[in-house]
Amino acid sequence: GENVEQHPSTLSVQEGDSAVIKCTYSDSASNYFPWYKQELGKRPQLIIDIRSNVGEKKDQRIAVTLNKTAKHFSLHITETQPEDSAVYFCAAHRWGGALGRLYFGRGTQLTVWP
Amino acid sequence: ETGVTQTPRHLVMGMTNKKSLKCEQHLGHNAMYWYKQSAKKPLELMFVYSLEERVENNSVPSRFSPECPNSSHLFLHLHTLQPEDSALYLCASSQDRSGTYEQYFGPGTRLTVT
Repeated sequence: GENVEQHPSTLSVQEGDSAVIKCTYSDSASNYFPWYKQELGKRPQLIIDIRSNVGEKKDQRIAVTLNKTAKHFSLHITETQPEDSAVYFCAAHRWGGALGRLYFGRGTQLTVWP
Repeated sequence: ETGVTQTPRHLVMGMTNKKSLKCEQHLGHNAMYWYKQSAKKPLELMFVYSLEERVENNSVPSRFSPECPNSSHLFLHLHTLQPEDSALYLCASSQDRSGTYEQYFGPGTRLTVT
């Protein structure tokens, strides 16, 4: 199966600084890489994703980069704000059997200090 | 309510009780998932249903019994649970094999086993 490693497990930044979370995956057959944000007591919500045929994708203050050769992908948040504080999960999708599956990293607790 | 809903939101049960968790999706999806989320652990996939057929069971103890009567509803029947089963149980849905891989999560049921 797939193995997704995520670092760091906790990250604290000052408001306005950038934050970077990194993930690696093991299976070159993985073809889709979403990032989920989970605020305290709430459901995980997709914030950005990237497919294996794309190297970078940006949506306002967030961006994701993918290096297929090295099997790693990263989430970049610029101009961080206190409301960015949450747990962020990366995941890798691959087909297994009759259905695609998402394999999740352990999560990164991001804290943005005002 | 739109999206994916789960009931109850909180549940406290003794080890000898029997209870059920309910998930409903209003997105027209054809695949549904149960995940377990414990502190400091990655999201653990428990069961997958595609077109109402269970296609994956990740070595989950038999005290957890899923049921998918139709593509919009998913249940998790619980009996004789252990304290270590206390966790947030998340339901998710997706549109299988449509070229889109995004999974939409419900708000979760916070389960405490006493």
